[in-house]
Amino acid sequence: EAQVTQNPRYLITVTGKKLTVTCSQNMNHEYMSWYRQDPGLGLRQIYYSMNVEVTDKGDVPEGYKVSRKEKRNFPLILESPSPNQTSLYFCASSFSATSWNTEAFFGQGTRLTVV
Amino acid sequence: GEDVEQSLFLSVREGDSSVINCTYTDSSSTYLYWYKQEPGAGLQLLTYIFSNMDMKQDQRLTVLLNKKDKHLSLRIADTQTGDSAIYFCAENRRGRIKAAGNKLTFGGGTRVLVKP
Repeated sequence: EAQVTQNPRYLITVTGKKLTVTCSQNMNHEYMSWYRQDPGLGLRQIYYSMNVEVTDKGDVPEGYKVSRKEKRNFPLILESPSPNQTSLYFCASSFSATSWNTEAFFGQGTRLTVV
Repeated sequence: GEDVEQSLFLSVREGDSSVINCTYTDSSSTYLYWYKQEPGAGLQLLTYIFSNMDMKQDQRLTVLLNKKDKHLSLRIADTQTGDSAIYFCAENRRGRIKAAGNKLTFGGGTRVLVKP
């Protein structure tokens, strides 16, 4: 089944403790990105990747890192989480980074709470 | 999502039509999308419209686009309880920021509650 898989689905952590949220897609998609969803703000892009070893900042990259060593995986790293990073995170992938219309597939979301 | 705006909440009776509205600011957007988010789930693409179209119909869904006013709407006919969800409109801004690939800019989402 074609899907985008995020882990974990739920995470409660303490300020400053490094964490990684994994994202994997099995559709051989070029483009992957991370969004955070906050009430009333919709989804805002954190980082994106056009292909392996090609990543760049989105609209709200502060406090986050990513890597794209393999095409299928795009982990989101919080080196020193803070309470303002408490949010619902979504990973998304799409077949092409450059076609005008290519559907984005979303993972199930990771609800992160930083205390 | 500050450049794409939606109302926060819509309540509708089962069987009635729902209309969800969205305004956007970037006239270079080429594709506009409607996504549905059910509780505890990711986003599911419902439908999309290309910017040179005025209307698109897909079963119970009708998308209307007014490019002059930069206004997009989603009409759901014969709304069912299973339509209760958050609906997001999104625009593809790649035309202006080519290096950003297929970046979607989302509205804040409209929570639709369908009452029996």
